[in-house]
Amino acid sequence: EADIYQTPRYLVIGTGKKITLECSQTMGHDKMYWYQQDPGMELHLIHYSYGVNSTEKGDLSSESTVSRIRTEHFPLTLESARPSHTSQYLCASSLSTGGRYEQYFGPGTRLTVT
Amino acid sequence: AQSVTQLGSHVSVSEGALVLLRCNYSSSVPPYLFWYVQYPNQGLQLLLKYTTGATLVKGINGFEAEFKKSETSFHLTKPSAHMSDAAEYFCAVSDPNFGNEKLTFGTGTRLTIIP
Repeated sequence: EADIYQTPRYLVIGTGKKITLECSQTMGHDKMYWYQQDPGMELHLIHYSYGVNSTEKGDLSSESTVSRIRTEHFPLTLESARPSHTSQYLCASSLSTGGRYEQYFGPGTRLTVT
Repeated sequence: AQSVTQLGSHVSVSEGALVLLRCNYSSSVPPYLFWYVQYPNQGLQLLLKYTTGATLVKGINGFEAEFKKSETSFHLTKPSAHMSDAAEYFCAVSDPNFGNEKLTFGTGTRLTIIP
């Protein structure tokens, strides 16, 4: 059972508000990822981190930012939410040693910006 | 760049019938391949993976998949569908240019089980 947590699970917020989506994992994984998923669509990588103080932008351009100050914590922040940010956001983690490669996913945060 | 094609955005099978979900990939070198399942309002759960070795891999819940390099395919099968198999299924391929640690996902196949 993967131990990766996301809060909140659902968020409805007005345009212009600042929001932070939380993601934490207790598996000691060094790599963490944020994906954006729209209904009926594939997952798009928006941010990833290979370790503490390491963050990179993913394949899909996003106005969000991330930080990785602790191994287990990888929050995503939107400074000013817009309706175009409405989507599901999935956090994942993986371990770079041991030849496993698979990513473990949290339950997701469904964001609605009105 | 890697890409994944899942043929059929919706697949319906009768309970007890064979499940076949198709996945083809494009990659300059053999990648690692994964199948994930997503139930409503949940994250993705790993069903099975292929990295090296035996090309027929078995996963959880009775699913299996076969890596066919010549066909660049990694189709998912289950001999007998169960109502609890109804979900969205995603095929994913790793990127060897990033140490196989970045994944590209297909658009998903929604599996419906007919009682």
